[in-house]
Amino acid sequence: GQQLNQSPQSMFIQEGEDVSMNCTSSSIFNTWLWYKQDPGEGPVLLIALYKAGELTSNGRLTAQFGITRKDSFLNISASIPSDVGIYFCAGHYTGANSKLTFGKGITLSVRP
Amino acid sequence: DTAVSQTPKYLVTQMGNDKSIKCEQNLGHDTMYWYKQDSKKFLKIMFSYNNKELIINETVPNRFSPKSPDKAHLNLHINSLELGDSAVYFCASSPGTGSYEQYFGPGTRLTVT
Repeated sequence: GQQLNQSPQSMFIQEGEDVSMNCTSSSIFNTWLWYKQDPGEGPVLLIALYKAGELTSNGRLTAQFGITRKDSFLNISASIPSDVGIYFCAGHYTGANSKLTFGKGITLSVRP
Repeated sequence: DTAVSQTPKYLVTQMGNDKSIKCEQNLGHDTMYWYKQDSKKFLKIMFSYNNKELIINETVPNRFSPKSPDKAHLNLHINSLELGDSAVYFCASSPGTGSYEQYFGPGTRLTVT
């Protein structure tokens, strides 16, 4: 089946630093989504991408839909302590009905 | 003005019991989902309903039975609970055909002892 790869499993950064996360696939996806999950909460949608090459921002977050349709990245600029959490990428491919494929997530820690 | 809500938030029960988790969304969405998140935080889809019709049924034991009385509600009933059913269960919803943005509930942490 379709798989999304996110690595590393954990990232540790200093407050104020920028961080970039990648999500890759061996197959083409038509929609890419980025979610953040805080401890004890459900995943929250951060950014949705619908076109190859699309670059979208949401505050300090910027995400891009790779032109090959097989990858996406999320950038967080000027990190703050509340950026701590698990970041999931998710993708949808044609023929999947409404099913999303999720990556395994990256746990981000921010040192004050 | 909660968008996707689930009850209960926590559920502790013994092996062999039957339990239900309820989900409601007030977003007017057509499609609802159940996910299981294991201890490694992997999100695995279990079921999806569109306008009360089952459209996705992943390889889930028959002990799990979803029910959608209307498009705003999707409940999950689990029979004969096993230790391996311990996990966090998330309900989600999306607008429906052509939109894949899913919105998640706060989760139900199920612990089977």
